[in-house]
Amino acid sequence: SAVISQKPSRDICQRGTSLTIQCQVDSQVTMMFWYRQQPGQSLTLIATANQGSEATYESGFVIDKFPISRPNLTFSTLTVSNMSPEDSSIYLCSVVQGPGQPQHFGDGTRLSIL
Amino acid sequence: AQSVTQPDIHITVSEGASLELRCNYSYGATPYLFWYVQSPGQGLQLLLKYFSGDTLVQGIKGFEAEFKRSQSSFNLRKPSVHWSDAAEYFCASSNFGNEKLTFGTGTRLTIIP
Repeated sequence: SAVISQKPSRDICQRGTSLTIQCQVDSQVTMMFWYRQQPGQSLTLIATANQGSEATYESGFVIDKFPISRPNLTFSTLTVSNMSPEDSSIYLCSVVQGPGQPQHFGDGTRLSIL
Repeated sequence: AQSVTQPDIHITVSEGASLELRCNYSYGATPYLFWYVQSPGQGLQLLLKYFSGDTLVQGIKGFEAEFKRSQSSFNLRKPSVHWSDAAEYFCASSNFGNEKLTFGTGTRLTIIP
């Protein structure tokens, strides 16, 4: 399966600031997704990152808060904007390499907001 | 809407004992089903998947799962657990043509010596 690198692996940020998380894959993939995992919880899909166009957001998530870019078939970024303590979570990138293939996940970014 | 239920929040088993983690799904005539494992401080690793065909699926690390349409279940099993199996286990589903995953709430597995 593809090798997925997420950066940073963890960060501690101040309230009101923004952080951009990068997801780099070692091969071209058809789909990329961003998830949030709040402490002790399961995963919730934030959005599907579309190559060359605006991301598709799930209910409860908006572009102003979580802008996403995907300039090519191997790279995507998620920005968490104007952070508050409620944004403290693990953010995970996942990819699908082709039709009928399962999702594979990066190691996640552990974000704490003070 | 699609949903996945993992009835057991926390399971404790002795090392060497057998294991079964339960998963029930709803929605979808032919669901795609997955089990992922998350070790502390790690991302999710795919253990196994079911798309179609043989209802007994073999995965990595000695795990297997059986798809039972009549019970809407996809339970994960392992005949003998190792201390390194202690982790959080997530069942997930999707459908043909829609790769978006719906996750269960997870089952935390503790192994005692």
